[in-house]
Amino acid sequence: AQSVTQLGSHVSVSEGALVLLRCNYSSSVPPYLFWYVQYPNQGLQLLLKYTSAATLVKGINGFEAEFKKSETSFHLTKPSAHMSDAAEYFCAVRTGGYNKLIFGAGTRLAVHP
Amino acid sequence: GAGVSQSPSNKVTEKGKDVELRCDPISGHTALYWYRQSLGQGLEFLIYFQGNSAPDKSGLPSDRFSAERTGGSVSTLTIQRTQQEDSAVYLCASSARGVSDTQYFGPGTRLTVL
Repeated sequence: AQSVTQLGSHVSVSEGALVLLRCNYSSSVPPYLFWYVQYPNQGLQLLLKYTSAATLVKGINGFEAEFKKSETSFHLTKPSAHMSDAAEYFCAVRTGGYNKLIFGAGTRLAVHP
Repeated sequence: GAGVSQSPSNKVTEKGKDVELRCDPISGHTALYWYRQSLGQGLEFLIYFQGNSAPDKSGLPSDRFSAERTGGSVSTLTIQRTQQEDSAVYLCASSARGVSDTQYFGPGTRLTVL
């Protein structure tokens, strides 16, 4: 069965600091992996996705994630945090035979001056 | 032009009443999904429609929940005899071809059952 674990329900960083949000997945077959961001009172917006092409995936707003099969990880990073990055971030997995996304519990990112 | 739209944005109802939530997918998208986001359960898949195929209802939590998709476009999620535990944000998403494509989400409907 597929599952996603996001380490840290809350992460706080200073403006300009590195952002690292952790995601580990469990899947018996090669997965599709996604990061979504949710701003307050809004729906989910796709940041980036991995679909078995390049292992380093670049997304919007300066975010990127690296697929590491040996570690079953897909951590999200951004070199320099901005105040506008404050939001909740969700990692999700889907395998080819399934239509639904399986989401992690989410990580709320706070950015302070 | 839009993206996925949902209505109403907020719905407050009394326990035991029926509610209908509406989703308008992106034009041309053949796949449509419903998810539920609640404090205790996170984001959960409810149901999936793909073209004229039978929907995947495996995520519906009880027989009080049903959904239909008319004309391959608009979808309605119906909850009968609402309970307080149904309070959540109901999110709709659509994608172009289904399994291999990105799901684009609407803003959600916040349902509160008193």
